Amino acid sequence: LAKTTQPISMDSYEGQEVNITCSHNNIATNDYITWYQQFPSQGPRFIIQGYKTKVTNEVASLFIPADRKSSTLSLPRVSLSDTAVYYCLVGVDTGRRALTFGSGTRLQVQP
Amino acid sequence: EPEVTQTPSHQVTQMGQEVILRCVPISNHLYFYWYRQILGQKVEFLVSFYNNEISEKSEIFDDQFSVERPDGSNFTLKIRSTKLEDSAMYFCASSQEDEQYFGPGTRLTVT
Repeated sequence: LAKTTQPISMDSYEGQEVNITCSHNNIATNDYITWYQQFPSQGPRFIIQGYKTKVTNEVASLFIPADRKSSTLSLPRVSLSDTAVYYCLVGVDTGRRALTFGSGTRLQVQP
Repeated sequence: EPEVTQTPSHQVTQMGQEVILRCVPISNHLYFYWYRQILGQKVEFLVSFYNNEISEKSEIFDDQFSVERPDGSNFTLKIRSTKLEDSAMYFCASSQEDEQYFGPGTRLTVT
């Protein structure tokens, strides 16, 4: 899996949009970008996956520029329950192979 | 929504004892995994299992670890002779395609 770099922590307030950027300069042609969320004392949970441009689901949006060397996870109107660690992973067949988690971004949402 | 379940939620054992951690993956999934997370550290991959055999394993997964799918529903991780450094949250995961579904974890405490 390609190496990723993301901020260690971020703070936000309820109702704000949060954008977490991940750098992956060595992304390979066949790699996908996947984001997971982990609440304290729980297992990681898949949020979204994309290859290029923009992907949106009921939870988040993922923006991927044309060069694919970075990506941005966008969480609209966060609430206190979005306080968690967010992991960016890059690789191929991530639904069928070992996942390599980095340190992630610890998002703290304040009231 | 189907989910991965794990038992027990918390296991306390003495150093040198054998433990078996149990998981029930989502029923139609074909790929199974074990990860662990030492308190305050990253989620680490241990092993993946497909078609009744190990497909990948990490350096952590040495001879003291073994996995088994004894029947059509359970997936187990055995640690033969536990060490203090095996204390961690152990997460089971299963997948079919793009995302891995994680269980709630078993907190293993070795004293």
